[in-house]
Amino acid sequence: DSGVTQTPKHLITATGQRVTLRCSPRSGDLSVYWYQQSLDQGLQFLIQYYNGEERAKGNILERFSAQQFPDLHSELNLSSLELGDSALYFCASSVSGSNTGELFFGEGSRLTVL
Amino acid sequence: GESVGLHLPTLSVQEGDNSIINCAYSNSASDYFIWYKQESGKGPQFIIDIRSNMDKRQGQRVTVLLNKTVKHLSLQIAATQPGDSAVYFCAENPGGSARQLTFGSGTQLTVLP
Repeated sequence: DSGVTQTPKHLITATGQRVTLRCSPRSGDLSVYWYQQSLDQGLQFLIQYYNGEERAKGNILERFSAQQFPDLHSELNLSSLELGDSALYFCASSVSGSNTGELFFGEGSRLTVL
Repeated sequence: GESVGLHLPTLSVQEGDNSIINCAYSNSASDYFIWYKQESGKGPQFIIDIRSNMDKRQGQRVTVLLNKTVKHLSLQIAATQPGDSAVYFCAENPGGSARQLTFGSGTQLTVLP
């Protein structure tokens, strides 16, 4: 158990809809990262937050947005969903002040868009 | 575009044998590399990392080798066990931050009894 909690574990929705994925980082970790894992694209970095502020952006679509709240949990909002958005979405957190690439990943939220 | 890739998508080894998983990278600016393991139904788990000022680093039963000349790194697992069966990803940091990683496509390691 990594200590990172993601909900829901599975989500099935239709094209055009909007969903919200939730992540609770490990206790004490200030940084939260979102990654998308699909069969054709592998693990893709989407966005990073640190203590409530956006720190870095990766290949995140404009239809997607995220935020980190004062209690450090984060939400990833996916809107106007398309079939190609079907993927595993992982949240990860990291130890504050560390300069290594060790991320602690949750078990992911599997999104299926029909 | 530049990418991190893996030579083989699948690898099968006998229990007790050593495993070698290879990875090629193309971004010469990357100075930090990391290996993750992903078991079925779980998120990736950190295994070991290496910085570009090193060519070898050892952990518990794992060794990572880095050859900057040919832009290649490998993960060696000694005495492979059934619990090592998983997908292994290499990742690099093309952007300079140790956390904003570019992941390779992964190698499925299967340990045979």
